[in-house]
Amino acid sequence: DAGITQSPRYKITETGRQVTLMCHQTWSHSYMFWYRQDLGHGLRLIYYSAAADITDKGEVPDGYVVSRSKTENFPLTLESATRSQTSVYFCASSDAGGLGGELFFGEGSRLTVL
Amino acid sequence: GESVGLHLPTLSVQEGDNSIINCAYSNSASDYFIWYKQESGKGPQFIIDIRSNMDKRQGQRVTVLLNKTVKHLSLQIAATQPGDSAVYFCAERAFYNQGGKLIFGQGTELSVKP
Repeated sequence: DAGITQSPRYKITETGRQVTLMCHQTWSHSYMFWYRQDLGHGLRLIYYSAAADITDKGEVPDGYVVSRSKTENFPLTLESATRSQTSVYFCASSDAGGLGGELFFGEGSRLTVL
Repeated sequence: GESVGLHLPTLSVQEGDNSIINCAYSNSASDYFIWYKQESGKGPQFIIDIRSNMDKRQGQRVTVLLNKTVKHLSLQIAATQPGDSAVYFCAERAFYNQGGKLIFGQGTELSVKP
């Protein structure tokens, strides 16, 4: 089924562990984004990618790593999870980089760091 | 009913009434704006967008108004239905800020009473 999918949808981990959230889109959109959503902060951009092998920092990149070896995938890795990274993470894609077109969001990945 | 964005994050309206959700943006260089709807447990969904060379745009039951003089954006929903209950986010693209990425507001929760 076409679209943008995230996995896992729910994850509980412990402080200090590495966690990777996966994002896959089937539209061949060139731009992909990772946002986190916290109460009182709305959606904040973590990282984005304009194309394969091109990534850039957003508003809150510290503690996160991304890669984009293939156009359709944009994994987000927390190298050493902290409690402050407990959040709902949304992946999004766009064919115009948010420069004039809408972003299409996944269903979110809810991460709890104990 | 009327909401003033961040200062009144909850808006409650009667089914059938019109809803107005407001958003104040800060960057006078922003040239593109989007409204998203987010239902509980789901990712944000595109509702309507508007470019800075327009002051009004209409969709199906929704209208977005842009007042660049006071940096204000509003979303009007006609004949509000229970299915409209959700959190609504405005987003702005500041082309000269952070490479043109979308920046989201904190959201307004719309509750529709039957």
